[in-house]
Amino acid sequence: RKEVEQDPGPFNVPEGATVAFNCTYSNSASQSFFWYRQDCRKEPKLLMSVYSSGNEDGRFTAQLNRASQYISLLIRDSKLSDSATYLCVVNTRDNFNKFYFGSGTKLNVKP
Amino acid sequence: GAGVSQSPSNKVTEKGKDVELRCDPISGHTALYWYRQSLGQGLEFLIYFQGNSAPDKSGLPSDRFSAERTGGSVSTLTIQRTQQEDSAVYLCASRTNRRTEQFFGPGTRLTVL
Repeated sequence: RKEVEQDPGPFNVPEGATVAFNCTYSNSASQSFFWYRQDCRKEPKLLMSVYSSGNEDGRFTAQLNRASQYISLLIRDSKLSDSATYLCVVNTRDNFNKFYFGSGTKLNVKP
Repeated sequence: GAGVSQSPSNKVTEKGKDVELRCDPISGHTALYWYRQSLGQGLEFLIYFQGNSAPDKSGLPSDRFSAERTGGSVSTLTIQRTQQEDSAVYLCASRTNRRTEQFFGPGTRLTVL
């Protein structure tokens, strides 16, 4: 079983829509959680960390559900520039320095 | 400041040849990672270096793969006797000890014919 699983999509949404992605993780000892963004043929870049209480950064909201072992990313008022692949990343208490990446969810925002 | 750099950006090689991929991390970053990303796939962890500690090699797929990091800075990933299934983008990332954010280089796209 993969450490981190994501729906590959693509999610095709119109500009201005609200869209949400989930990511599930298999290791209950997972400690830190992140969303990275990867544009086509580019390197991943950190979008936001995910905190236990949930956190918001502008149009982006991240949530953690430890009981069900998933994290979510909500994007409000989608922009064309939000089109990218969103990677879910976790690490664990037993090896804090090793990060597990999901295969990503592709988002296409259409005019 | 300068980000993570990798060279070459593209490498085409014939099956059975050896290749060397280079990574220059951000100055002062003590942690360095190598990942592999195949088409449409997530990042596969290969190896991790932290300062002078022994590297975590648990992700290397076979003994044809090796990596070293000289002087705590530049790293080289070597693939011996390349196979077609080694074709992928090889990404390097670095970070400081104080933060979990990884900064990625642009990657090396390896094609084995």
